[in-house]
Amino acid sequence: TAGITQAPTSQILAAGRSMTLRCTQDMRHNAMYWYRQDLGLGLRLIHYSNTAGTTGKGEVPDGYSVSRANTDDFPLTLASAVPSQTSVYFCASSRANSGGADTQYFGPGTRLTVL
Amino acid sequence: GQNIDQPTEMTATEGAIVQINCTYQTSGFNGLFWYQQHAGEAPTFLSYNVLDGLEEKGRFSSFLSRSKGYSYLLLKELQMKDSASYLCAVRDSNYQLIWGAGTKLIIKP
Repeated sequence: TAGITQAPTSQILAAGRSMTLRCTQDMRHNAMYWYRQDLGLGLRLIHYSNTAGTTGKGEVPDGYSVSRANTDDFPLTLASAVPSQTSVYFCASSRANSGGADTQYFGPGTRLTVL
Repeated sequence: GQNIDQPTEMTATEGAIVQINCTYQTSGFNGLFWYQQHAGEAPTFLSYNVLDGLEEKGRFSSFLSRSKGYSYLLLKELQMKDSASYLCAVRDSNYQLIWGAGTKLIIKP
């Protein structure tokens, strides 16, 4: 089982360009998440989706958009990249965005540099 | 605001025991998680606490005191492969995870 895959692994992007980070899971999880991880800071939630067809804003949503057309895929789009979006981006999924020991499983990450 | 505090870095010796502390102030509490993250890799789940007390899982144990807003991760019989960052996260009233910045654990032979 692949779990969660992300693409690309890394990317250098010129400021002002757009880019879509891809995320696919094969665990039939209902909930999916996008985080960014910056040195010295905890993981910060960008957007999430509790189920296919719905999305929600996290702590740092500005400059990012997401869609959830089906259960497996949750792409993250940067419409016009800025240098402050240089970060490592992790996609994660869980059975449901609810209580209990429902844990989040993470993809390998995308390292994005905006110049 | 919401806040998760952990030490930035700790050093321990192979074969020893280390305790990594986490204190939190969040809007609501629906469980506390510990994750391990090796350099350049994704976080992986270690433990979950929702009730006060100690949860033991092999060489790793995690403790929670909800009244004190405090947790610790205890690692026994340290191995070189335990060199990693350890992330504390609290699920808040909106069922979102609030993450600490992580504790980088360095194991010396």
